[in-house]
Amino acid sequence: GAVVSQHPSWVICKSGTSVKIECRSLDFQATTMFWYRQFPKQSLMLMATSNEGSKATYEQGVEKDKFLINHASLTLSTLTVTSAHPEDSSFYICSASAGTGKNEQYFGPGTRLTVT
Amino acid sequence: DAKTTQPPSMDCAEGRAANLPCNHSTISGNEYVYWYRQIHSQGPQYIIHGLKNNETNEMASLIITEDRKSSTLILPHATLRDTAVYYCIVRHKAAGNKLTFGGGTRVLVKP
Repeated sequence: GAVVSQHPSWVICKSGTSVKIECRSLDFQATTMFWYRQFPKQSLMLMATSNEGSKATYEQGVEKDKFLINHASLTLSTLTVTSAHPEDSSFYICSASAGTGKNEQYFGPGTRLTVT
Repeated sequence: DAKTTQPPSMDCAEGRAANLPCNHSTISGNEYVYWYRQIHSQGPQYIIHGLKNNETNEMASLIITEDRKSSTLILPHATLRDTAVYYCIVRHKAAGNKLTFGGGTRVLVKP
């Protein structure tokens, strides 16, 4: 149980285009989803927290107009990187929590974004 | 959330127990200790968590000192597939599930 998927697993896009990444909880309802970014040889950095049906809460320094997050259902959250630039190339990882008391987060496999 | 300190790297022998230390000297009474690991180019995997009692599951054991200022994750019989970065995270029960990842310990299991 507690499986989280991401799609796509990797994507290459041209500078200036937008890319959408999907995060799905496959066997549980995720009241809260999180988006992280990880640069090579670095740790995960939390970008934003989203609760189903409400606006995402962004961490300091993360541009909300550039990284659009939608959490429209209890099993799906999307991250759209708008007007991507090479410096946005990174490993994007989502996690989901059922919020049922144990509060464990279950992570997706990650999406490798390369902007050329 | 309290900060944690972990050694940046460690090697261990396949088949032997791997003991991964973590210092969290500023932990407060209602903060949990969580351990996750990340195998290269994958998402983090939950391992175990605890408050003050020692915990054991099918993956590992967590030993928390009586003063709760440090803990040790024990992988009882390390395998090559346990090679990963291990993150010790302290999280407040009411922190909205936010996890703050530090540098972790890069564990290399050698044959």
